[in-house]
Order: sequence, then structure tokens, then C-alpha cells
Amino acid sequence: AQTVTQSQPEMSVQEAETVTLSCTYDTSESDYYLFWYKQPPSRQMILVIRQEAYKQQNATENRFSVNFQKAAKSFSLKISDSQLGDAAMYFCAYKKGGATNKLIFGTGTLLAVQP
Amino acid sequence: GAVVSQHPSRVICKSGTSVKIECRSLDFQATTMFWYRQFPKKSLMLMATSNEGSKATYEQGVEKDKFLINHASLTLSTLTVTSAHPEDSSFYICSARDGLAIQSYEQYFGPGTRLTVT
Repeated sequence: AQTVTQSQPEMSVQEAETVTLSCTYDTSESDYYLFWYKQPPSRQMILVIRQEAYKQQNATENRFSVNFQKAAKSFSLKISDSQLGDAAMYFCAYKKGGATNKLIFGTGTLLAVQP
Repeated sequence: GAVVSQHPSRVICKSGTSVKIECRSLDFQATTMFWYRQFPKKSLMLMATSNEGSKATYEQGVEKDKFLINHASLTLSTLTVTSAHPEDSSFYICSARDGLAIQSYEQYFGPGTRLTVT
């Protein structure tokens, strides 16, 4: 069975600094996707970034980038130039390839941004 | 962009009654919808997957007779919590997959419904 592990329950970063959130996963599949979702206090789930397993290049979305280490099954999220609005719960998620397959979420990391 | 709505956003019901939560895709056809439950400061737990026109597939440990899911149209899925008890109090979130999306990873989340059973 696939699993997703986030070993950092809470993290803190100073405004304008950089922070990295860790995520590891376990799967025997070759076709899969990895995601980082943000859940602010409003509880609305927001997709931050995604990575297709077949792509070697790390995904980047503005201040957000990932370090995808396929052999190590590691998928960390780097937030650069942290802003107060980045404060939220961040979930790492895995999805097996295929249209209807479900998302498997990690336990989440609560990120605080200090002014 | 793709929008998913949920109604109601908050509901309080008495123990023993049933409550229905709606999940709608506003601008796309949702061939598949997912229902999650989230406890405070916890992760999302998938309850069931529903495909339009078919019976829902429930995750292990989820009582299908207690959490009734209907996905009768391409834009609407409902979750009915029957004979609710205080332990059913939680935050319920739906997500929907765009049936016409080329990329199979596309899922869009609703804003969630907070259920409180008194």
C-alpha cells in the first residue's frame, strides 16, 4: 500500500526567509503524481504544486519549488521569500496514475510565518 | 477556473437526525467525486469515491449505511449522514474530477462543511 509521511508536524520561518518542508512516500508504482496542498485557516484546499513522476525536472511555481528525489522517494517543498499569507497547513499527497485513483495525504505540516 | 461548491458551509443538527451535504461542480462535469472527513488539526481521510451513475466505493471502516452518497448527475453529489451522533461532528470536504480533463490528476476541492451534532 502507498503511504505518505511528513515528519515535521510544525515549522516556523521568518518573513522573507526560505523554508523547506519534508515529505517521503512509499510506492511500487512507476506512474504516479505528487502534490503539495495548502490549507489556510479558511480550510479551503489549494493546490500549490504538482510533480509527475516521469519528469526528472523539479516543478516550480513562482516562490514554490520542489526537490523530487525519485530513487529516495522524497518530495520536499521549498518556499522562498516567505510571506505572512503562506502561513497554513501544508499537505503532501500522492496519486497513482489513472483517472479515478484517490489522493493519499500525509499528516500535514503547520507552517507559521513570523513577521 | 474550475469551482466546486458545498452547501451548507455549516450545519448543526440534533443527535438521531439526518443531514444532507451537497457538493456541486459549477463549471465542469464531475465524473468522479471524492468525500473526505477531517478532524481538527488532522489530515484528510478519504471516506468514499463516487462515479456518476454508479454506487459509491467506500474506504475500509466507513459505514456505507450511515454515510449515504449519491452521485446522480455530472454536477452534483450528496453525502447524507444518517442518524447522526456527536462523534460524527467533523469537517467534511468534497473534491471533484473534471471528466473532460486531459490530465488525470485534476481534482478540485470544495470549501468544506462543518457538521456539529448536539
